[in-house]
Amino acid sequence: GAGVSQSPRYKVAKRGQDVALRCDPISGHVSLFWYQQALGQGPEFLTYFQNEAQLDKSGLPSDRFFAERPEGSVSTLKIQRTQQEDSAVYLCASRGGLQGVSYEQYFGPGTRLTVT
Amino acid sequence: RKEVEQDPGPFNVPEGATVAFNCTYSNSASQSFFWYRQDCRKEPKLLMSVYSSGNEDGRFTAQLNRASQYISLLIRDSKLSDSATYLCVVIHSGAGSYQLTFGKGTKLSVIP
Repeated sequence: GAGVSQSPRYKVAKRGQDVALRCDPISGHVSLFWYQQALGQGPEFLTYFQNEAQLDKSGLPSDRFFAERPEGSVSTLKIQRTQQEDSAVYLCASRGGLQGVSYEQYFGPGTRLTVT
Repeated sequence: RKEVEQDPGPFNVPEGATVAFNCTYSNSASQSFFWYRQDCRKEPKLLMSVYSSGNEDGRFTAQLNRASQYISLLIRDSKLSDSATYLCVVIHSGAGSYQLTFGKGTKLSVIP
């Protein structure tokens, strides 16, 4: 079946512009995660959903970052008033199991955001 | 001290060599451990889970040492196709929180 998809794959934004990044998880997957990966670094956890509930948003770097998953499937990561330091690859991952169960996370291809 | 630390490398090894990576973690209550592989400009993909008893998958062996708080990955008979960045992942979950931490990754280049 289809894996995790993300759109757009590439986004160039001018500083101060708002952006919205979309993630379509694997159908039926309960858990959804967002990560930020800067060049040469490992992915950094941003936030985690279980169905439509955002259970952990401790990794969001500022209040300019907002994520939602209103119907428990598709998720959107929104960044307001983008800054150059927001330039990174934003990865989405989904997982079939519930919190505390060690099921594999499947990653999407990422959205490469460049803020100019 | 960063929660999960890895030697960034690069490790440059000849084909057929055996290479080992370590990853240390600071949270002694961490519960789950994984190794992921990430090719250049691609998403991370699960390589293997790491169990307390150690586990092996073909040429790959993963081990967990809870007392010393590190996990390791051993690759035997390296292939050119093993060239990638290897990321360790440490998970700690509890009431209302789910902390998943990636290391920065160790870059491996297998050379002919």
